[in-house]
Amino acid sequence: KQEVTQIPAALSVPEGENLVLNCSFTDSAIYNLQWFRQDPGKGLTSLLLIQSSQREQTSGRLNASLDKSSGRSTLYIAASQPGDSATYLCAVRYETSGSRLTFGEGTQLTVNP
Amino acid sequence: DTEVTQTPKHLVMGMTNKKSLKCEQHMGHRAMYWYKQKAKKPPELMFVYSYEKLSINESVPSRFSPECPNSSLLNLHLHALQPEDSALYLCASSHTPGAGETQYFGPGTRLLVL
Repeated sequence: KQEVTQIPAALSVPEGENLVLNCSFTDSAIYNLQWFRQDPGKGLTSLLLIQSSQREQTSGRLNASLDKSSGRSTLYIAASQPGDSATYLCAVRYETSGSRLTFGEGTQLTVNP
Repeated sequence: DTEVTQTPKHLVMGMTNKKSLKCEQHMGHRAMYWYKQKAKKPPELMFVYSYEKLSINESVPSRFSPECPNSSLLNLHLHALQPEDSALYLCASSHTPGAGETQYFGPGTRLLVL
């Protein structure tokens, strides 16, 4: 079964820390992997999309890496701020799943001032 | 304009009501999606429209009826819903249904069925 797992489920850090969120997937045959942010009761905001041929993508303080062979991706957040507090979702587009995104359960991040 | 809009933001309905959710995008995207999200769970795909035609129906009960009147607009018609259908309903779009495309999500409609 094609699944996506995110660890940890919740994370609380003081402001200014660098942190890493983890995502693992069960099948290396993927088209791409996407990281989203979701604020409580809101829609999803796309942060970074990594195609299967890429190793990493960067946007501002965010850096996402992809290791297809080991079935892992990490989202690195530098110099965290209270405004980064949200749930971060990892979603994988498996080659055998057509248009479907397979989501992880998310990591709920709290950055304390 | 990279925005997907959804109306209404909130909806409360009884089990005998008929209501509709609306989603709109003006990015020229030709793939549109409906997702359902329960509290503290990831979104679950319901329907995919590709070039205004229904391409995926994830075995959704018939009390949910999608409609794509044109390339910018996606509706979800609701009838005889159950309390367990209460959730956040998210619409998304992508340039094409192709594999490499980013999906852009709207803010969602929070639905409560009494």
